[in-house]
Amino acid sequence: EPEVTQTPSHQVTQMGQEVILRCVPISNHLYFYWYRQILGQKVEFLVSFYNNEISEKSEIFDDQFSVERPDGSNFTLKIRSTKLEDSAMYFCASRKQGVNTEAFFGQGTRLTVV
Amino acid sequence: AQSVTQLGSHVSVSEGALVLLRCNYSSSVPPYLFWYVQYPNQGLQLLLKYTSAATLVKGINGFEAEFKKSETSFHLTKPSAHMSDAAEYFCAVSDWPYNQGGKLIFGQGTELSVKP
Repeated sequence: EPEVTQTPSHQVTQMGQEVILRCVPISNHLYFYWYRQILGQKVEFLVSFYNNEISEKSEIFDDQFSVERPDGSNFTLKIRSTKLEDSAMYFCASRKQGVNTEAFFGQGTRLTVV
Repeated sequence: AQSVTQLGSHVSVSEGALVLLRCNYSSSVPPYLFWYVQYPNQGLQLLLKYTSAATLVKGINGFEAEFKKSETSFHLTKPSAHMSDAAEYFCAVSDWPYNQGGKLIFGQGTELSVKP
């Protein structure tokens, strides 16, 4: 069964460093998303991506964040100048075309900023 | 704007007992609703979805949910809990048609514990 894959599963970085979280969405999906879940809190939307551009972003997704689909298969989230409060589980998701299609989530990348 | 509220951040049941996890939604248009499960240290897995085809939706692992428009509810149930059902459960609503991207808006989550 096709699945969304994320790498790495766990990333530890020093405050102020840049990190890139990687995702391979399901191949025939057209919508891509990043969500995050701070420990003990609910899952929050960060950004959606469609047709090679951002279709929507949340207030969390400021200039510190960027997304890219560099080669037609990977979908990356870059976080510049990481802060302690960026520590969270980051989930990538993808979805087929269609209003009632469900999003498939990856296993997540646990980012720890020290 | 759409939103979901999950009543009860933690629910504890005995093995074999009925599981009832509550979700209420707010939407000015017919909603697309989902239940996801998150096992420890894992990602989110779809349990079931409501897309207006039928009000009673059956999902994986014996779970089902009933859409009740009059109560703006989409509660998740399972007749008999199993130890393996212990996990965190999230109710979510798609924000389509307000945004074509159709992002999910999640509830706070309910942690289900199952006692032997």
